[in-house]
Amino acid sequence: NAGVTQTPKFRVLKTGQSMTLLCAQDMNHEYMYWYRQDPGMGLRLIHYSVGEGTTAKGEVPDGYNVSRLKKQNFLLGLESAAPSQTSVYFCASSYSVAGHSYNEQFFGPGTRLTVL
Amino acid sequence: GQQVMQIPQYQHVQEGEDFTTYCNSSTTLSNIQWYKQRPGGHPVFLIQLVKSGEVKKQKRLTFQFGEAKKNSSLHITATQTTDVGTYFCAGMGRDDKIIFGKGTRLHILP
Repeated sequence: NAGVTQTPKFRVLKTGQSMTLLCAQDMNHEYMYWYRQDPGMGLRLIHYSVGEGTTAKGEVPDGYNVSRLKKQNFLLGLESAAPSQTSVYFCASSYSVAGHSYNEQFFGPGTRLTVL
Repeated sequence: GQQVMQIPQYQHVQEGEDFTTYCNSSTTLSNIQWYKQRPGGHPVFLIQLVKSGEVKKQKRLTFQFGEAKKNSSLHITATQTTDVGTYFCAGMGRDDKIIFGKGTRLHILP
């Protein structure tokens, strides 16, 4: 099992460009998450999904969109990148018990994004 | 909204000394999780605490969940160079939203 994979690993964008980050998991997890990590700020939740076809806003959703068309994939989109979106992006997934995600999150290796 | 505060932000210890990081929530938590992130790596799950007053041990690591389920701590006995990294707590509120603390970065001096 590959676990949680993320593509790409690195990316440099110019302000105003768009891009999509792909997260894939092969553990049949219901819950998937997108976080950003900035120095001194810990991990902040951008969006999450509790199942195929559903998404919800996290702590810092502005400037991002997500889609969960397939259970194993969770896409994070930046429509018009800004320098403030320079960060390391982590995807994670977890399984649910009785409809609640009370369990450990499995993280991908991260995507380092720089917006010039 | 729910906030999870973690202290200290940084900690330097001599190898062999003990280390403790504390996590405090503004609201009662359903559970709390602890993660470790090595430099350049991704967070890796360590443990989950669910019950009030719960204490769990993993070798040299001791995890506690407060009686009011609003605070938690991670204590490492006799630190080793392999303990280097950032330790995060993550609290889940009753709305199923998980909030990470900002982490404590542990440096080990040889």
